[in-house]
Amino acid sequence: DQQVKQNSPSLSVQEGRISILNCDYTNSMFDYFLWYKKYPAEGPTFLISISSIKDKNEDGRFTVFLNKSAKHLSLHIVPSQPGDSAVYFCAAAGSARQLTFGSGTQLTVLP
Amino acid sequence: DVKVTQSSRYLVKRTGEKVFLECVQDMDHENMFWYRQDPGLGLRLIYFSYDVKMKEKGDIPEGYSVSREKKERFSLILESASTNQTSMYLCASSLGQGNQPQHFGDGTRLSIL
Repeated sequence: DQQVKQNSPSLSVQEGRISILNCDYTNSMFDYFLWYKKYPAEGPTFLISISSIKDKNEDGRFTVFLNKSAKHLSLHIVPSQPGDSAVYFCAAAGSARQLTFGSGTQLTVLP
Repeated sequence: DVKVTQSSRYLVKRTGEKVFLECVQDMDHENMFWYRQDPGLGLRLIYFSYDVKMKEKGDIPEGYSVSREKKERFSLILESASTNQTSMYLCASSLGQGNQPQHFGDGTRLSIL
């Protein structure tokens, strides 16, 4: 039973355009959400997070949106750059310190 | 910057061997975690630890055990390696309680022949 789902295994975007990566969750006890980026042969790198008391958090080109009623979060990357090409994982946490990860989305930014 | 170091990047072992994967973090983090990553399945939690000598099972603990004798070191043990344990293994650490991101090592690509 997947509690965190990333339904798009892959996404291709033109350089300079917006990339939107989506994530859905089912557990209403989750109150902290994160996005990680992973290059091949490296560990995941923390990108950005959001607490359930907020609906938006921004850090440079990266913005995470949280819609609690829909149990949906998204990561926007504007403008997209070729170096953003990687696998992106969303993750969620409840009262425990454990994270539950989605299956990942491979983003390819085309020059 | 947080540094999480995994002892091996690539490892090849035989079926039935006892395998040790080591992880060390240098930021005095209380929490440490072991995951495996498989295509299409994301990261799945094997075991975690909130303190020295403390361990908790994650989602897929079968066939694995862990050891945390010192705060900075968290070891994953495959008691009797099997081919279905061929995977990428990732160690992570995080600070204290509350909402804190986990920081990952670069992973160990383990092949069981």
